[in-house]
Order: sequence, then structure tokens, then C-alpha cells
Amino acid sequence: DGGITQSPKYLFRKEGQNVTLSCEQNLNHDAMYWYRQDPGQGLRLIYYSQIVNDFQKGDIAEGYSVSREKKESFPLTVTSAQKNPTAFYLCASSSGFRGASNEKLFFGSGTQLSVL
Amino acid sequence: KQEVTQIPAALSVPEGENLVLNCSFTDSAIYNLQWFRQDPGKGLTSLLLIQSSQREQTSGRLNASLDKSSGRSTLYIAASQPGDSATYLCAVRVGISSGSARQLTFGSGTQLTVLP
Repeated sequence: DGGITQSPKYLFRKEGQNVTLSCEQNLNHDAMYWYRQDPGQGLRLIYYSQIVNDFQKGDIAEGYSVSREKKESFPLTVTSAQKNPTAFYLCASSSGFRGASNEKLFFGSGTQLSVL
Repeated sequence: KQEVTQIPAALSVPEGENLVLNCSFTDSAIYNLQWFRQDPGKGLTSLLLIQSSQREQTSGRLNASLDKSSGRSTLYIAASQPGDSATYLCAVRVGISSGSARQLTFGSGTQLTVLP
């Protein structure tokens, strides 16, 4: 089945530690995204990538880093510079065809990150 | 800057009732609007996407309408069931520029509970 796989489902971070969240897709989508969701709030864009080896900052990129070495993979690293990392992190992908008004966003099942 | 609002934040209805969820946006120059469902601790599942040239979309018991001039969309759920209990989010896409990912704005969602 085609889809987006996020791992782990739950992750705990210690003070000063960097942690990496995995996101893999087999939908052959060009575009991938990382969103952060806090309780009672909408999703906020952290980083996005329209194509392999290219990515752009979203609205809340500080304290996060990404890479896009393969089309299928878009890992997110939460660095020690992110002082309030506790949140639900969602990875998404889309076909990335610019100008397609029917372009849909597909989501993974999320990773809950908590600070110890 | 586009702002998306969903009111109410929470809604409880008895099983079998027809209901309407609301989504309003401040910039009427949208490209499309997408409705999602989110179950607790899970990712988002796309329900319906309405292109800017369309007035409504239907899928089973769900009907989404779009009125760009008034900046409003509604999601109508017919004959509600306990399995419909979830948080429903709308997201608006503005423009088709190269930074289009930054143009997707989410509402904070309406948490729906259908009581048996």
C-alpha cells in the first residue's frame, strides 16, 4: 500500500540532546513537508522540500534542521536550540505539481515528542 | 496574511443528527480548500478538496461547500454516527507561486463528538 510512514510514534528528548524524526513515503511525491501541531492549534509549517536536494524554511524553522538526499525520505532533526520541542510532529507529501488546483496533501500518522 | 478560523472549537450532537461545521478565511483569493479529519494521536486524513472554481464537493454522507466571496466553507455531515467523532480541520491554499507550500494555512479545528 502506498503511504507515508513516520517513526518513532513516541520520542523523548533529554536536555541538550538532538533527536531525529523519520519520514518515508512511497507515493512517488516530489514535495514533502514537516508540520508542528500544539494542542488546540492549527498546524504550523517547519520546513518543506519541493525536490530532492532542496528545501526551504517554513514559518517556525528555528531550532530544526532537515535533509532531502532521497526522494522518499525527509528526516527532521530537533536540535538543542529548540527550547520548547514538546509537540506532535506531522510529515506530509504532495505531488508537488505547481499550478494543479486539485493537488492534495497526504499525511503520516505523526510522532509525539516530549522532553524528559 | 491569510487567517483561517473554525468555530465552534468543540461540538457534541446525538447520533443521527445532521450537522454543519464552519470554516472562514480572510483572503478570498484562494486556490483551493481542503477538509481533513484527525483522530486522537493520529495524522490527518483528507476528506474533500474544493477547487476555487467549484461550489461544492460530495463524498458519501459528506458535503463541502465553498463561497469565496464571503470567505466561508461548510462541511455538512448527514446522519451522524459515533464513528464520525474526530477533529475536523480545514486548510486554505492561496496562490500557485514557487513558495506555494507556505501559502497553505490551517484552521485550529472543530472537535466533534457524536453521542450514541
